[in-house]
Amino acid sequence: DIQMTQSPASLSVSVGETVTITCRASENIYSNLAWYQQKQGKSPQLLVYAATNLADGVPSRFSGSGSGTQYSLKINSLQSEDFGSYYCQHFWGTPYTFGGGTKLEIK
Amino acid sequence: DVKLVESGGGLVKLGGSLKLSCAASGFTFSSYYMSWVRQTPEKRLELVAAINSNGGSTYYPDTVKGRFTISRDNAKNTLYLQMSSLKSEDTALYYCARQGYGNYGYFDVWGAGTTVTVSS
Repeated sequence: DIQMTQSPASLSVSVGETVTITCRASENIYSNLAWYQQKQGKSPQLLVYAATNLADGVPSRFSGSGSGTQYSLKINSLQSEDFGSYYCQHFWGTPYTFGGGTKLEIK
Repeated sequence: DVKLVESGGGLVKLGGSLKLSCAASGFTFSSYYMSWVRQTPEKRLELVAAINSNGGSTYYPDTVKGRFTISRDNAKNTLYLQMSSLKSEDTALYYCARQGYGNYGYFDVWGAGTTVTVSS
């Protein structure tokens, strides 16, 4: 199985700052990567698919990048509604696996 | 509105069985691959079952293979997960999720989830 390692596990940031979350796959996943946001008590919501494509309705301050085994999610000018947990997930063959998550908290 | 609504969760004893349902609306259910994804109390996400659009092909990870069965009724726009021989590690919030159109393996629509608690 492909292992997905996310970092950092948690991050304390202020509104207006820029943050980058990284995800490393244990083997090449050929950009078959998605990012999700999960707010407290809610289900995950798709942010980015195929490494760089924003899902419908996702603000342009979010962006995804990467290739091979290394991927990143960048959030420019953090807004209060961006706080929560973020997960990466590969879909390069089953089993699709998720990263352990990054919890973004208000400083 | 595109919507997925899970039901059927609850408290079940070790070794017991439970059947989850997911009612879909707002999209052509029969055109999409569907999955069940669970979130453990430690917040870890795990795909536990997937099914193609006509129900003819399914996938299970080793952790649930032989114990869980995914199925669908396209006439009723409903997805199911039959769970048996339940273990304590099956305790989780179970989400029904739609896969991206064209059988892409990301999940673009999620339900609110239904909780399964396995106790001794």
